[in-house]
Amino acid sequence: SQELEQSPQSLIVQEGKNLTINCTSSKTLYGLYWYKQKYGEGLIFLMMLQKGGEEKSHEKITAKLDEKKQQSSLHITASQPSHAGIYLCGADFRNYGQNFVFGPGTRLSVLP
Amino acid sequence: DTEVTQTPKHLVMGMTNKKSLKCEQHMGHRAMYWYKQKAKKPPELMFVYSYEKLSINESVPSRFSPECPNSSLLNLHLHALQPEDSALYLCASSRDREGPQHFGDGTRLSIL
Repeated sequence: SQELEQSPQSLIVQEGKNLTINCTSSKTLYGLYWYKQKYGEGLIFLMMLQKGGEEKSHEKITAKLDEKKQQSSLHITASQPSHAGIYLCGADFRNYGQNFVFGPGTRLSVLP
Repeated sequence: DTEVTQTPKHLVMGMTNKKSLKCEQHMGHRAMYWYKQKAKKPPELMFVYSYEKLSINESVPSRFSPECPNSSLLNLHLHALQPEDSALYLCASSRDREGPQHFGDGTRLSIL
């Protein structure tokens, strides 16, 4: 079973539209990370969330961690073709005897 | 441009060859990681070095041998690999075991 689940699995939006990607854990998160990956390339760090209710923004991307620290959302406003890629959430589960794990990813396509 | 440099970018090798993947960072980070990523899957953690000591080995077969010669360098020595080992190998570093990981662009490995 996956420690982290993401929805949707894939998303196609028209340029200019807003969108939201979700990441859910069955365990309390002690640090939730969002990354973006273009095909065949490395991961680009976007944001880190640690406190319940925390919200961070960078340019047109906003990420939130819920109060229970088990769900995070990534929201993109006025999407652009440059936002296309695979968005991955990741978390450290050392408190549960495991290690760093990524969610399965959400593949985003933005149509011009 | 990434601050974590991986070489080579591509590697094709036979099952009897011995080769090494290299990773370098000059951010002063004291934790370094190796991940394996298969197509359309998230990266999977293989090894973690913390202050040049191997702290995590995620049950990786012995045909993969990591080495951390100093705080800036991380190697992955490969020997007698199998076709199923073909994947993108990603290196990452972080300030310590906490905090975001910064990724290189990866080495795409093909085993013939």
